[in-house]
Amino acid sequence: DAGVTQSPTHLIKTRGQQVTLRCSPISGHKSVSWYQQVLGQGPQFIFQYYEKEERGRGNFPDRFSARQFPNYSSELNVNALLLGDSALYLCASSPGRWTGDIRPDTQYFGPGTRLTVL
Amino acid sequence: AQSVTQLDSQVPVFEEAPVELRCNYSSSVSVYLFWYVQYPNQGLQLLLKYLSGSTLVESINGFEAEFNKSQTSFHLRKPSVHISDTAEYFCAVSSFSGGYNKLIFGAGTRLAVHP
Repeated sequence: DAGVTQSPTHLIKTRGQQVTLRCSPISGHKSVSWYQQVLGQGPQFIFQYYEKEERGRGNFPDRFSARQFPNYSSELNVNALLLGDSALYLCASSPGRWTGDIRPDTQYFGPGTRLTVL
Repeated sequence: AQSVTQLDSQVPVFEEAPVELRCNYSSSVSVYLFWYVQYPNQGLQLLLKYLSGSTLVESINGFEAEFNKSQTSFHLRKPSVHISDTAEYFCAVSSFSGGYNKLIFGAGTRLAVHP
């Protein structure tokens, strides 16, 4: 089975621009979470979606938004980019329900999208 | 609020030597703890997890971690490392709040295995 996929792999933008990052969860998974990993730090939680509804939001400005589609894929949008938005953006999918002995909230990460803001 | 502290930012070690990567957490409630590994230019892979039961958990590639509630620690160990273990290792705690779980990560420990 395919794992979590993210596109694009790399992206270069300039300050003030807008960017959209995409994530496809593992087949059958209903929940998607987004994390930002700045160089040299651990990932920081941005959003979680379940069944197309926002479940939680981390401490990020309103320039960050996301949505989840009926096929459970998700997009993360960042407006008015700042230099500090340069990071690896990770998407994680979760089953959303018990699958054997795997908890509903077990998170499986994609390879990430590396965003560079110049 | 829950938090995770990884006590070493970098750990250099020679091949076939033992290694311990230290992780301490703070939490006022029951915890679920994880270790993730990140190889260069890749995403995070789940290495092992503690949810309940036995305090010693093992991974398929020889790593183990022990949950110590009294010391609020979840240190990762391997008795003999390989060059291929060179990577960044992240300790994380699952935080349940507002009806959902999110992961809170430490800053990471870079394990560098030398021949």
